Amino acid sequence: DAMVIQNPRYQVTQFGKPVTLSCSQTLNHNVMYWYQQKSSQAPKLLFHYYDKDFNNEADTPDNFQSRRPNTSFCFLDIRSPGLGDAAMYLCATSYGGRATNTEAFFGQGTRLTVV
Amino acid sequence: AQKVTQAQTEISVVEKEDVTLDCVYETRDTTYYLFWYKQPPSGELVFLIRRNSFDEQNEISGRYSWNFQKSTSSFNFTITASQVVDSAVYFCALSEMNTGFQKLVFGTGTRLLVSP
Repeated sequence: DAMVIQNPRYQVTQFGKPVTLSCSQTLNHNVMYWYQQKSSQAPKLLFHYYDKDFNNEADTPDNFQSRRPNTSFCFLDIRSPGLGDAAMYLCATSYGGRATNTEAFFGQGTRLTVV
Repeated sequence: AQKVTQAQTEISVVEKEDVTLDCVYETRDTTYYLFWYKQPPSGELVFLIRRNSFDEQNEISGRYSWNFQKSTSSFNFTITASQVVDSAVYFCALSEMNTGFQKLVFGTGTRLLVSP
């Protein structure tokens, strides 16, 4: 019954080798988010999609990109992972509108290791 | 700028003790949301509660209760009769209202260890 599904749960990639993390949702929410959480730190928003509109946070490195081909799926691409990019990556969704919006629902995260 | 402070890094209690997790926030917005999320070892952030800035009523849900005080910019979380399954990292978070999306600014979290 998972509503926000992230694959894989664990990903090991080589230094500098592009990697893609995926997220899917069954909630039909129009907003999808990617957060980065480094060890023992708070989650930090990288970017979000409001419908098809991409919104990048000002301090998100260019190395991080995202794609949302449809409502249900969202991908996080790391073009050239460095050792500092090792972290838990959390996908979240919410419904947002003028009159109402829901809280964010999170997936279980993908733990990325860079070797 | 928005900021959330959770001064308690780690709290250890014995089962059945009550425990309060502190959260202090800063924002220039007049309307905003406050949240608590639980992160068990599995990694998923589990939503616990959301409060509107204009609703200062305290809330109780089973063993959980929340005390929102706008005058002191605090949103504290109390677990009554703690259980081992409550062991997790708890995050307090803040977001703007009326934007249509939840840009969450998290505190650094409080790790709660409940021993038998």
